[in-house]
Amino acid sequence: AQTVTQSQPEMSVQEAETVTLSCTYDTSENNYYLFWYKQPPSRQMILVIRQEAYKQQNATENRFSVNFQKAAKSFSLKISDSQLGDTAMYFCAFMKHVGNEKLTFGTGTRLTIIP
Amino acid sequence: GAGVSQSPSNKVTEKGKDVELRCDPISGHTALYWYRQRLGQGLEFLIYFQGNSAPDKSGLPSDRFSAERTGESVSTLTIQRTQQEDSAVYLCASSFDYGQEVYNEQFFGPGTRLTVL
Repeated sequence: AQTVTQSQPEMSVQEAETVTLSCTYDTSENNYYLFWYKQPPSRQMILVIRQEAYKQQNATENRFSVNFQKAAKSFSLKISDSQLGDTAMYFCAFMKHVGNEKLTFGTGTRLTIIP
Repeated sequence: GAGVSQSPSNKVTEKGKDVELRCDPISGHTALYWYRQRLGQGLEFLIYFQGNSAPDKSGLPSDRFSAERTGESVSTLTIQRTQQEDSAVYLCASSFDYGQEVYNEQFFGPGTRLTVL
């Protein structure tokens, strides 16, 4: 079974600064996906970024980037030039590399961007 | 196009009552998932439907929980004899099936907040 651990329940940062959210996971799988999801107060889960385990290059989506360390089973999210709209819960998630498979989530980090 | 929709948005019930939660997936999505999110927690997998295959019920916490899906459309999650620990947000997600070797993104609905008094 897979587990995902987020050790930072809450974080806050000033607007325009950079913040890094941590995530570690445990699995015996060799090929899998890792994700960061954003959940604003509306409850809508929004996919922020995806990383495929067989790719060594870290994924990047505009202001969002990851630091994927496969050997260490670490997957952190860096948000650059943080904006007020980034305020939300952020969840790290794992999925086996098959066509359709359930997601395994961490407990989340509540991020607050301070104006 | 329309996203995943869920109803009701909020449901308050009394302990011991049965509740039904509805999910309308994105048209054409053959896979449908139910997750539960307790207060301050991440999402927990409950059940997964894929086309006409037998559903994966491995995440259902007790036999009070059941779910049905009509073909590749609407799904209903039923909780019988509700308990206070069933209070949570229940989220539904759907995905297309491009094949086993391809990533199939799950698209989430807004969830139903269930409160059991």
